[in-house]
Amino acid sequence: QVQLVQSGAEVKRPGASVKVSCTASGYTFNDYGISWVRQAPGQGLEWVGWISTYNGVTKSVEGLQGRIHMTRDTSTSTVFMELNSLMSDDTAVYFCVRARDRARTTVAMPWLFWGQGTLVTVSS
Amino acid sequence: QPVLTQPPSASASLGASVTLTCTLRSDYGHYLVDWYQQRQGKGPRFVMRVGSSGHMGAKGDDIPDRFSVSGSGLNRSLTIKNIQEEDEGHFYCGADHGTGADFVFGGGTKLTVL
Repeated sequence: QVQLVQSGAEVKRPGASVKVSCTASGYTFNDYGISWVRQAPGQGLEWVGWISTYNGVTKSVEGLQGRIHMTRDTSTSTVFMELNSLMSDDTAVYFCVRARDRARTTVAMPWLFWGQGTLVTVSS
Repeated sequence: QPVLTQPPSASASLGASVTLTCTLRSDYGHYLVDWYQQRQGKGPRFVMRVGSSGHMGAKGDDIPDRFSVSGSGLNRSLTIKNIQEEDEGHFYCGADHGTGADFVFGGGTKLTVL
């Protein structure tokens, strides 16, 4: 069965960086891109970015461009989301998600599969 | 004006029906909308997709037949019949216009089962 397993919770100081991993299993890794969705405490959902596991191309929400970097390791079926210059507003649970339908080079919805979420806390 | 507008809260009695609405901004009128359910303390799960003509594609895993969607004009609605306690939580609509450039969510509706 499809599984997305994320790394554990992180606590960071403002200005630091955080790197969250998402390891996929149960399907052909290169056939589906991975998006990242975050949710600040008590708030709604926000799509933050996507990576093609096929060719490494990335897209991100305009407000995070320059601070977010997504990579993948095809040998371990893992994608990474690194967020730099952290601010308190980045405190959120970060989910990696996979679409229902196969799409190698385009961002696709709906997101049928969700990781368990990784809480990133930014606090001085 | 936000791309997707949802009322912040809704409530219904056990066994009753409720319709949750998601209204598209007029320039997003052709968008497909996906509904997600998030129970307290859990991650979101996909419910189903809806276009202007109604339900599109398969429902999410283990989504009961009590859940249905409809589309009319700029509204994309989710109806839950015979509400159960397990239906309580937040419901979010999300839009995908198919160009891969932007993905947005509505603010979410908190559904309370009375």
